[in-house]
Amino acid sequence: EPEVTQTPSHQVTQMGQEVILRCVPISNHLYFYWYRQILGQKVEFLVSFYNNEISEKSEIFDDQFSVERPDGSNFTLKIRSTKLEDSAMYFCASDGLAGGRGETQYFGPGTRLLVL
Amino acid sequence: SQQGEEDPQALSIQEGENATMNCSYKTSINNLQWYRQNSGRGLVHLILIRSNEREKHSGRLRVTLDTSKKSSSLLITASRAADTASYFCATDAITDKLIFGTGTRLQVFP
Repeated sequence: EPEVTQTPSHQVTQMGQEVILRCVPISNHLYFYWYRQILGQKVEFLVSFYNNEISEKSEIFDDQFSVERPDGSNFTLKIRSTKLEDSAMYFCASDGLAGGRGETQYFGPGTRLLVL
Repeated sequence: SQQGEEDPQALSIQEGENATMNCSYKTSINNLQWYRQNSGRGLVHLILIRSNEREKHSGRLRVTLDTSKKSSSLLITASRAADTASYFCATDAITDKLIFGTGTRLQVFP
């Protein structure tokens, strides 16, 4: 069964450093998302991406964050200058085929980011 | 309170018992979904119920939706130790983002 994959599974970085989290969405899906979950808290929406542009972003997704689909398979989240409060589990999700956005978003296993 | 809140926050039961979790939300929705998360792991989609549906079954799972009360419940029948996880509801409204609830931590003792 197709699944969303994410790399790395864990990332430790120093405050102020740039990190890139990578995701390979389900093949043929056209809508891509990033969410994050701070330890012990609820899952929060960051950004949605379709047709090579951001379709919606949350207040969390400030100028320090960016997303990119550099090729036909990868979808990346970049944090330019990490802060301690960026420590969280970051989830990538995808849905939707050529006919339109799907009802179910399929999530990857997550990347646990720790900023020291 | 925020969109999507589950209760109870934590639930402990014995194997074989049924587990019921509730979710409330605030705005109109297109559909409501339940996800499961094992400790520190990814989110696994369990079941989706559309706003025009009232009840849905999938295996040992039964989901109800009451749009007049803006609430949903997830029932896991004949629970197993392997059902131990956190369960989240997520609503899908006008935009394409999912809004997650606070989650219920379920512990099933063998």
